[in-house]
Amino acid sequence: DQQVKQNSPSLSVQEGRISILNCDYTNSMFDYFLWYKKYPAEGPTFLISISSIKDKNEDGRFTVFLNKSAKHLSLHIVPSQPGDSAVYFCAASAYGNQFYFGTGTSLTVIP
Amino acid sequence: DVKVTQSSRYLVKRTGEKVFLECVQDMDHENMFWYRQDPGLGLRLIYFSYDVKMKEKGDIPEGYSVSREKKERFSLILESASTNQTSMYLCASSQDNRKAYSNQPQHFGDGTRLSIL
Repeated sequence: DQQVKQNSPSLSVQEGRISILNCDYTNSMFDYFLWYKKYPAEGPTFLISISSIKDKNEDGRFTVFLNKSAKHLSLHIVPSQPGDSAVYFCAASAYGNQFYFGTGTSLTVIP
Repeated sequence: DVKVTQSSRYLVKRTGEKVFLECVQDMDHENMFWYRQDPGLGLRLIYFSYDVKMKEKGDIPEGYSVSREKKERFSLILESASTNQTSMYLCASSQDNRKAYSNQPQHFGDGTRLSIL
């Protein structure tokens, strides 16, 4: 059973606008969440993370929000750039070193 | 920067062959992982290892085995390759959370696109 879900397989956004990628999880024991970015023919690259003791973490144009009561995670990219076009995976772990990944959302930023 | 190197970017093998996928990391990480990525299914964990000569089954270990004789190297073995093992295989490594006293992300190699004919 998928413990981490990304229900939107794809998303298209105009350059300069905000991209919002969503992720839901079912395991209330998850305490660490990450977002990865993946270009075709490359491995996933770590983007940003958040611990369950926080509800927001920012790194430049990227912000991750965590809503523990809703078991929901989102990644905001502002402003979106064409180079942001990639597949984004969210992942979660529970007090350990093993991660559970979502199925990914393909983001296309239109120039 | 962490460097995770997978020995082959593309590999074509035949049904029934024994296939070895190699992965090396240069950051002295304790943890190493093998995933496969398939369209619509995301990344699924095959096997992982927390230390030399240690291994744990992931979510889909059937048809696979692993070997970790040295800390920096983690090998995935397809004992008798089948067409349903055609996939993108990704290796990852991470520092142990307990040694780092904090949560640690996984760092990935560029993947091996394996085709079984």
